[in-house]
Amino acid sequence: TQLLEQSPQFLSIQEGENLTVYCNSSSVFSSLQWYRQEPGEGPVLLVTVVTGGEVKKLKRLTFQFGDARKDSSLHITAAQPGDTGLYLCAGPNFGNEKLTFGTGTRLTIIP
Amino acid sequence: EPEVTQTPSHQVTQMGQEVILRCVPISNHLYFYWYRQILGQKVEFLVSFYNNEISEKSEIFDDQFSVERPDGSNFTLKIRSTKLEDSAMYFCASSWGSNTGELFFGEGSRLTVL
Repeated sequence: TQLLEQSPQFLSIQEGENLTVYCNSSSVFSSLQWYRQEPGEGPVLLVTVVTGGEVKKLKRLTFQFGDARKDSSLHITAAQPGDTGLYLCAGPNFGNEKLTFGTGTRLTIIP
Repeated sequence: EPEVTQTPSHQVTQMGQEVILRCVPISNHLYFYWYRQILGQKVEFLVSFYNNEISEKSEIFDDQFSVERPDGSNFTLKIRSTKLEDSAMYFCASSWGSNTGELFFGEGSRLTVL
């Protein structure tokens, strides 16, 4: 089973600040997804990165896939209280349909 | 926008009782999944379902668990004899293709076993 470790586990910052969260593995993934989960709800897909080195932007969120396709980062610029939530990276295991989720980063943006 | 819907949103049951969790996946999706999330822990894969049969299951998905697609729209997870450790949020998900990782999740069913 491929494992995904996320850091930091918890992050609490002031509104307007920038932040980066990381998703790391010793295994290569064909793609990585980032999801956001609100309390009591299911994960919601934010983005998929497929190519090593790929960078995708979603408004103030920038996602990068590592060159070796073993890691990914999520950078948020000028964080807003609405960015508060649990951020999960996930990736499909090779040869099967199982999606492995990371350990998650719980982000709190303080107004 | 199409969405995955789950019922019930919360179920409380006594240990040893049978529970059925229901899901209506997005209509043109072909792959269906159940995941669970114990409070404070990772989202864990349980089972995937394609072409009216289980395509993959995890070690968590033992003989107490079963899935069914009884008609063209519903996808159910049955736990035959619930245990305390089955208490968790159960998420149904669907996707149009396998191995894409792009799953659409329902809002979850919270199961509490007493």
